[in-house]
Amino acid sequence: GAVVSQHPSWVICKSGTSVKIECRSLDFQATTMFWYRQFPKQSLMLMATSNEGSKATYEQGVEKDKFLINHASLTLSTLTVTSAHPEDSSFYICSARDLSGGVYEQYFGPGTRLTVT
Amino acid sequence: EDQVTQSPEALRLQEGESSSLNCSYTVSGLRGLFWYRQDPGKGPEFLFTLYSAGEEKEKERLKATLTKKESFLHITAPKPEDSATYLCAVQDPGGYQKVTFGIGTKLQVIP
Repeated sequence: GAVVSQHPSWVICKSGTSVKIECRSLDFQATTMFWYRQFPKQSLMLMATSNEGSKATYEQGVEKDKFLINHASLTLSTLTVTSAHPEDSSFYICSARDLSGGVYEQYFGPGTRLTVT
Repeated sequence: EDQVTQSPEALRLQEGESSSLNCSYTVSGLRGLFWYRQDPGKGPEFLFTLYSAGEEKEKERLKATLTKKESFLHITAPKPEDSATYLCAVQDPGGYQKVTFGIGTKLQVIP
């Protein structure tokens, strides 16, 4: 149980284009989903938190107009990197949590490696 | 602001050599402390949740313990397949329950 998928697993795009990353909870309903980015040899940095049907809450320093998050259903959240630049190249990881049972653990997807050329 | 500090940053063990990883935290009103394992190029894999001081949880060669200020991840007789980065995280008691991660301990177990 508690499986989270991400698609794509890796993507290469040209500078100035937009990229969409999907995060799905496969066997549970995710009341909350989180988006992280991770640079080499660094820990996870939370970008934003989203609850189904609500606007995402972004961490300080994260541009909400650049990183668009849509939590359209209890099993799907998307992160769109708009007008991507090489400095956006990173490992993006989503996680999902179901609080209906009072459980606080986050379950992570396998990550998406984004390379902007 | 919540702080999570993990030590050591890197640990190299011989196969079978038991050791412990440390996670110290400062958070008011701990809602939960989590341990994850992360392999290179992959998302973190959930291991344990600890909620209150004195609590312990075990899974195979791993045992996690919690006090009011820190948590330990004990690794007994590790095998090479235990090599990974182990992340500790604490639950923020605030409104949208964000989690703060430590930088991790990179464990290498040598055959």
